[in-house]
Amino acid sequence: EAGVTQFPSHSVIEKGQTVTLRCDPISGHDNLYWYRRVMGKEIKFLLHFVKESKQDESGMPNNRFLAERTGGTYSTLKVQPAELEDSGVYFCASSQDLGSYGYTFGSGTRLTVV
Amino acid sequence: QQQVKQSPQSLIVQKGGISIINCAYENTAFDYFPWYQQFPGKGPALLIAIRPDVSEKKEGRFTISFNKSAKQFSLHIMDSQPGDSATYFCAASIGGANNLFFGTGTRLTVIP
Repeated sequence: EAGVTQFPSHSVIEKGQTVTLRCDPISGHDNLYWYRRVMGKEIKFLLHFVKESKQDESGMPNNRFLAERTGGTYSTLKVQPAELEDSGVYFCASSQDLGSYGYTFGSGTRLTVV
Repeated sequence: QQQVKQSPQSLIVQKGGISIINCAYENTAFDYFPWYQQFPGKGPALLIAIRPDVSEKKEGRFTISFNKSAKQFSLHIMDSQPGDSATYFCAASIGGANNLFFGTGTRLTVIP
């Protein structure tokens, strides 16, 4: 079984530019989550999709962040325009069942805004 | 406000020793407490988890101790090995809810 795939693995952009992160969940997993870890801090929840619908987006920091999940398959997280404080590692996770018990995380995208 | 507090930030242990990482929480509604292990360049992977109806859970060399009254839980790694060197995150969630609240992580180094 293929795992959760994220790309790019690294991205360096200038402040004010736009970046789009992509996550391909495990096939058949209806639940998809985005998390972020800022250097030295905790991993923080951003949002949760069930199929193509946003179940919970309470962790999204502001309206510069836009997440979509086309057709309930892969998901994208766009940051526009990027700010310095957006730097961190963005993780995607997926699960088959509702609840956090069966999470599988991807390897993350390290975003650096300069 | 951080929901789960984790310590220490880093830990160095001799091979064969015991590694202990501690976490504390405030929200008494939490009812699922997993530990995740993360190697460099990889995502966090579930290591072991406990629910508050038991005080201890053991899987191989890894044990979670849970103190409900103190709102604390800890991970013990017995006979620590260099291959255990990784970052460990404690977390908590409310059953059926989907977001995990993570601690800040502990970087464990096991020296041969």
